[in-house]
Amino acid sequence: NAGVMQNPRHLVRRRGQEARLRCSPMKGHSHVYWYRQLPEEGLKFMVYLQKENIIDESGMPKERFSAEFPKEGPSILRIQQVVRGDSAAYFCASSPAEGARSEQFFGPGTRLTVL
Amino acid sequence: GDSVTQMEGPVTLSEEAFLTINCTYTATGYPSLFWYVQYPGEGLQLLLKATKADDKGSNKGFEATYRKETTSFHLEKGSVQVSDSAVYFCALKVNQAGTALIFGKGTTLSVSS
Repeated sequence: NAGVMQNPRHLVRRRGQEARLRCSPMKGHSHVYWYRQLPEEGLKFMVYLQKENIIDESGMPKERFSAEFPKEGPSILRIQQVVRGDSAAYFCASSPAEGARSEQFFGPGTRLTVL
Repeated sequence: GDSVTQMEGPVTLSEEAFLTINCTYTATGYPSLFWYVQYPGEGLQLLLKATKADDKGSNKGFEATYRKETTSFHLEKGSVQVSDSAVYFCALKVNQAGTALIFGKGTTLSVSS
């Protein structure tokens, strides 16, 4: 059973460009979480999605950031008009169910560098 | 709000030394507690967890006990190896459906031979 997959692993963008980060959850998992890790910091929650629904986006910046998890295909985190402060590692995690104690399994992350 | 505080690093040890990384938390209710490990260039891997007070999580020689009275979940290992060099994150999860993990800032461990 393949783990959580993220691509690309490394992404370089110039200021003002768009960044698209993809996450394929583990097989059978329908819940996806996105976290951001700034340099020298722990991971911060951004958004929680189920298939075709955003459940909690309380950690998402109000502008330029959006996320989706369509019925078919991976979850996408989209950052428009990137700025240098967006440089970070973005991690996706998936879980099999909504249970209170469901474990989250993490992908390897996408490291975004904004020039 | 809910939060996790862990000791700042880096922690530098010689092989076979004893390791303690302190972690304390603030939470409403009774969260589940976790330690994750991140090796260079990789994602997070769950190291161990405990879901209720006095539970002890253990894995690969690492242990942590859920102490409700001191709101702590300190990570310990009796004899570290060079291969344990990594960043260690303490985290909590409120026991409500669909809630996210709340992480500490991470502690870098460097073990030399």
